[in-house]
Amino acid sequence: EVQLVESGGGLVQPGGSLRLSCAASGFTFSSYWMQWVRQGPGKGLVWVSRINGDGTSTGYADSVKGRFTISKDNAKNTVYLQANSLRAEDTAVYFCARTKAAALHAFDIWGQGTMVTVSS
Amino acid sequence: DIVMTQSPDSLAVSLGERATINCKSSQSVLYSSDNNNYLSWYQQKPGQPPKLLIYWASTRESGVPDRFSGSGSGTDFTLSISSLQAEDVAVYYCQQYYSTPPTFGQGTKVEIK
Repeated sequence: EVQLVESGGGLVQPGGSLRLSCAASGFTFSSYWMQWVRQGPGKGLVWVSRINGDGTSTGYADSVKGRFTISKDNAKNTVYLQANSLRAEDTAVYFCARTKAAALHAFDIWGQGTMVTVSS
Repeated sequence: DIVMTQSPDSLAVSLGERATINCKSSQSVLYSSDNNNYLSWYQQKPGQPPKLLIYWASTRESGVPDRFSGSGSGTDFTLSISSLQAEDVAVYYCQQYYSTPPTFGQGTKVEIK
């Protein structure tokens, strides 16, 4: 079964850090671009970051550039999002998602999400 | 960034009736080299992640019921649910993946009248 499972969310103070993980199974992980998308409480979907199959190309939303870092460990079938200098506005459910085929494509598999709350 | 605007924000439709959601992009998402519209539709039910319904504006994802259909080209797109079922109550999002950053519409909430 094709599956993505996120972990690593929690409550963190402003300025703090978290490392989110997304474990993949059921497909050839190294062949796919992976994405992080977040959704604030009661809000819509916002793209955060993406990484290519071999981990050599990354992209970020302007709102997280310089604070978040995406990485991929194909030996562990896991994609990570290192979130530093967290702000209240980063509070959201963070989903990882698989890009369907190529770099520019729809997101066909989504994890259940992990909640990040930034508050003092 | 390409701005995606959906209309309406919410709609209530009777069971068995048609539901139509519109999505407009601030610039064309039609890629001339392959003649594909880089536009997808997702369904999100409460407490669940989004589910891909449609990609390339009109290609139904595997396993998606055929009452869901997508149409449009360039900047104007439509998601139609031909005969609304109770399980279709959800928020629906369009998304462009033509350029970085990929962007989503604000969502349309579909309810039963």
